[in-house]
Amino acid sequence: EDQVTQSPEALRLQEGESSSLNCSYTVSGLRGLFWYRQDPGKGPEFLFTLYSAGEEKEKERLKATLTKKESFLHITAPKPEDSATYLCAVEGDNYGQNFVFGPGTRLSVLP
Amino acid sequence: DTEVTQTPKHLVMGMTNKKSLKCEQHMGHRAMYWYKQKAKKPPELMFVYSYEKLSINESVPSRFSPECPNSSLLNLHLHALQPEDSALYLCASSREAASLMETQYFGPGTRLLVL
Repeated sequence: EDQVTQSPEALRLQEGESSSLNCSYTVSGLRGLFWYRQDPGKGPEFLFTLYSAGEEKEKERLKATLTKKESFLHITAPKPEDSATYLCAVEGDNYGQNFVFGPGTRLSVLP
Repeated sequence: DTEVTQTPKHLVMGMTNKKSLKCEQHMGHRAMYWYKQKAKKPPELMFVYSYEKLSINESVPSRFSPECPNSSLLNLHLHALQPEDSALYLCASSREAASLMETQYFGPGTRLLVL
């Protein structure tokens, strides 16, 4: 069975304190790994798609990387507005039935 | 434009009511999705429509009935719901139907409360 786990469950950072979020996955034939940001009571906002091990993508203070077993979302010098829940999702060989979200990491950035 | 809109934003209904949730996108996407999200949990896939045809039904109870009138619209008809069905209902769309590695764009959701 395909599984996605994320760690830590919650993370509290001081403004400017860089850190990384982890997404570990077990899926048959990874087709894509997706990172989303979700604010309370709102829909997930797309951040990145990674397709193959070694791939990296950046957007402002965020950088996503992918290996064969996990992905990291690095946050450099975070600001309070980066506070949100960060979700990763994976899609495997069996499309749709294998689009699985991880439980998320709740990030709080304190001023 | 990567906007998916959902109405209503909030909905309160009794267990005997019939209501509908609406989702709309004008990005020319051919796949549309319904998700259910409980508090502090990730979204759970309910239905997938591909070229206006239901392609995935993740064992959702029949009190939820999806409908895709055209490629831009997706409805979720609700009937005889239970209090445990209270959740945030999210709609999403992606460019290609039955797509592989296609990014899904989410709407803001409808917050449903069943009394």
